Amino acid sequence: GAGVSQSPSNKVTEKGKDVELRCDPISGHTALYWYRQSLGQGLEFLIYFQGNSAPDKSGLPSDRFSAERTGGSVSTLTIQRTQQEDSAVYLCASKDLNTGELFFGEGSRLTVL
Amino acid sequence: LAKTTQPISMDSYEGQEVNITCSHNNIATNDYITWYQQFPSQGPRFIIQGYKTKVTNEVASLFIPADRKSSTLSLPRVSLSDTAVYYCLVAQMIKAAGNKLTFGGGTRVLVKP
Repeated sequence: GAGVSQSPSNKVTEKGKDVELRCDPISGHTALYWYRQSLGQGLEFLIYFQGNSAPDKSGLPSDRFSAERTGGSVSTLTIQRTQQEDSAVYLCASKDLNTGELFFGEGSRLTVL
Repeated sequence: LAKTTQPISMDSYEGQEVNITCSHNNIATNDYITWYQQFPSQGPRFIIQGYKTKVTNEVASLFIPADRKSSTLSLPRVSLSDTAVYYCLVAQMIKAAGNKLTFGGGTRVLVKP
């Protein structure tokens, strides 16, 4: 019954490798968001899922980035052929539609060497 | 989506009141104003939300003038632990599932002893 859970909390990878980041939203929250936050910067919107609707992918920076949400719950953000500029904290949030409040996970810190 | 403008940073001292103003000139009728707080190495967390006039909770107050083109987050008697980045978010929130939530750059508040 806890909050939004993200894994891994830290990931170090080599340039060119693929990575997968996982988000477990709060149970019952049908809206799920992914954001990217580079060091010292604000939150950059990546993608948004709502129920069975087509996701809003307008924030994905390149076709190396993709995300899916299976069964309306867990979401996976995949980055293919990682580049050093992909290094950032990737934050997931789910939304309580009754209050509008976003609940964020602690993030996955990605470092691409 | 209403664009928001906030000061980049603010310094304060323990025990003082901190007021952060966010401008959102093209706020829509259905938009709410929400503030989030982010500590280093953590995901943002909800502080307060309002539509008009004044809202107060145990953490902060939110002042919204009649034209709703700006809002002010007020943190009473800050302590060192209030050092964080504060984000203003303007969007349809309640029961509005189909929206992309874009955060501005945030205001970095530093509370000094």
